[in-house]
Amino acid sequence: LAKTTQPISMDSYEGQEVNITCSHNNIATNDYITWYQQFPSQGPRFIIQGYKTKVTNEVASLFIPADRKSSTLSLPRVSLSDTAVYYCLVGDLMKGGFKTIFGAGTRLFVKA
Amino acid sequence: DSGVTQTPKHLITATGQRVTLRCSPRSGDLSVYWYQQSLDQGLQFLIQYYNGEERAKGNILERFSAQQFPDLHSELNLSSLELGDSALYFCASSVRQDPSYNSPLHFGNGTRLTVT
Repeated sequence: LAKTTQPISMDSYEGQEVNITCSHNNIATNDYITWYQQFPSQGPRFIIQGYKTKVTNEVASLFIPADRKSSTLSLPRVSLSDTAVYYCLVGDLMKGGFKTIFGAGTRLFVKA
Repeated sequence: DSGVTQTPKHLITATGQRVTLRCSPRSGDLSVYWYQQSLDQGLQFLIQYYNGEERAKGNILERFSAQQFPDLHSELNLSSLELGDSALYFCASSVRQDPSYNSPLHFGNGTRLTVT
């Protein structure tokens, strides 16, 4: 199983860049890395996805080293509204199906 | 708006009862996933359906069951409810059989179940 490990929580201040790293030592060749954001009492929301190297969209950047055993979500210039739980997800292919496992997530708290 | 619709939004029931949660996936999505999230806990994968067939099982109790209908909506049935079943239940959908590249999970806003 491709298990993920993330810091339990992080604090930051408005305007700072935040980097959240996820470890996934057992990632499989065909697995993609996906990050989700979840606000309280809401469903998770897709942020960014990648396979290797660097991916950037209007919300975040995702850095993946060559060995793919970790990935780093980078949020530029965070605001109070970025306070949420961030999940790193790695696809886990099982016989006859696909099992999606969310880790415990990282609780980001952005202060004024 | 993710396009995934879950009903009802809130459900309060007593121990020992049975409830049904409903999910309508995004238009065009063939896979439906069910997750449970207890207070301050992470998302626990329960079960996945793809185009009407069960594809993967997670930590789903025997008291729980699900199905996906020909119109692709899905229902999660919870029976013999216990206090510990109180949680947010999320449904997600994706286009493909697996949430792979360009086919991420899209979540609904959940059903909050309270068992008293």
